[in-house]
Amino acid sequence: GAVVSQHPSRVICKSGTSVKIECRSLDFQATTMFWYRQFPKQSLMLMATSNEGSKATYEQGVEKDKFLINHASLTLSTLTVTSAHPEDSSFYICSASDTNRDGYTFGSGTRLTVV
Amino acid sequence: GENVEQHPSTLSVQEGDSAVIKCTYSDSASNYFPWYKQELGKRPQLIIDIRSNVGEKKDQRIAVTLNKTAKHFSLHITETQPEDSAVYFCAAAPKAAGNKLTFGGGTRVLVKP
Repeated sequence: GAVVSQHPSRVICKSGTSVKIECRSLDFQATTMFWYRQFPKQSLMLMATSNEGSKATYEQGVEKDKFLINHASLTLSTLTVTSAHPEDSSFYICSASDTNRDGYTFGSGTRLTVV
Repeated sequence: GENVEQHPSTLSVQEGDSAVIKCTYSDSASNYFPWYKQELGKRPQLIIDIRSNVGEKKDQRIAVTLNKTAKHFSLHITETQPEDSAVYFCAAAPKAAGNKLTFGGGTRVLVKP
């Protein structure tokens, strides 16, 4: 089946630094990648949608200059949290979609802790 | 945009009993409705999905029903077991691929032995 590899699984960083999260589709071409954020005991909230080779579309209230998304190839999308603050601490998870197959494939998630 | 409401937020059932979770959606363009089970710190796992061209789908102890007119869909788990304890999310999307998935708020299910 379709697999999306997400790294790192856990990261602790200092306030003010940047963190990059990678999602890689291993056996299919991810034409669209969705990035979600999930705070404890809450639902998955969509942050942005990216299509390969074009700029990401951000959901209302999500700062595009703070959460940089790059979808430079059909197998790799990255989310960079810039100038991280403790309130950015959350579970970040990607989900890839391929128009040639039904459904959404989720990465394993990244637990970000900003201290 | 799409808005998905999910109830109840918590559900406690005795082992062997049934559990029912209900969701409503707002966008009539939605036609793909998956259900996910998420354990703490893990990715959501698809447990069943339904498309708008059917009203009901069943897979062993799990069933989903869809009422497109009323814009609601439900998850039914029969003969619950302790390993069914988790958080369950419903979601909706205009189609199964390439379009954003909007999640409900989640239901924390506890199956008591």
